[in-house]
Amino acid sequence: QKEVEQDPGPLSVPEGAIVSLNCTYSNSAFQYFMWYRQYSRKGPELLMYTYSSGNKEDGRFTAQVDKSSKYISLFIRDSQPSDSATYLCALSGGYQKVTFGIGTKLQVIP
Amino acid sequence: DADVTQTPRNRITKTGKRIMLECSQTKGHDRMYWYRQDPGLGLRLIYYSFDVKDINKGEISDGYSVSRQAQAKFSLSLESAIPNQTALYFCATSEAGPGTDTQYFGPGTRLTVL
Repeated sequence: QKEVEQDPGPLSVPEGAIVSLNCTYSNSAFQYFMWYRQYSRKGPELLMYTYSSGNKEDGRFTAQVDKSSKYISLFIRDSQPSDSATYLCALSGGYQKVTFGIGTKLQVIP
Repeated sequence: DADVTQTPRNRITKTGKRIMLECSQTKGHDRMYWYRQDPGLGLRLIYYSFDVKDINKGEISDGYSVSRQAQAKFSLSLESAIPNQTALYFCATSEAGPGTDTQYFGPGTRLTVL
């Protein structure tokens, strides 16, 4: 079993839809949870960073962590074509070793 | 200017050739990383360095070597390239200290080994 599981997609949604992206994990030592966005032919860029359980909101993006279920989510409201990218979850126990999901490819159709 | 730069951006080479990929950063971070990204496999850590004198193997270091020339420079070498090293390579940096796990990535090098 992989430490981090993420559905690779692709996920296609119409413009304006609410998008839900998810990862599950098995290592209970993970305390820091991140989401990266990667456009085609570009490096991943940090989108959201959360510590422990709970929600964090930044504009149209909300990151949610449920440590009891070992489940993390990224919600995108009012999705735009410019949100079309691959989204990678990243988890860490706080010792600089970061484990990445394989990424979910999202396409927002105008 | 970009905080993390990688050269070259694209490289095509032949089996058996020695290749060096270079990474420079202006973020002032102590920690630097090399990853490769393959479809269906995601990002995999090759090597990482917590400071100039500290080099560590990642999960897939076989066939690769690194050099940390300065705080700002970290190079990855393929001593004798083989086709299954064809991939997208990323350099990343991070700060030192607890709770500073966020990594900042360069634009990547697309390497093709024929």
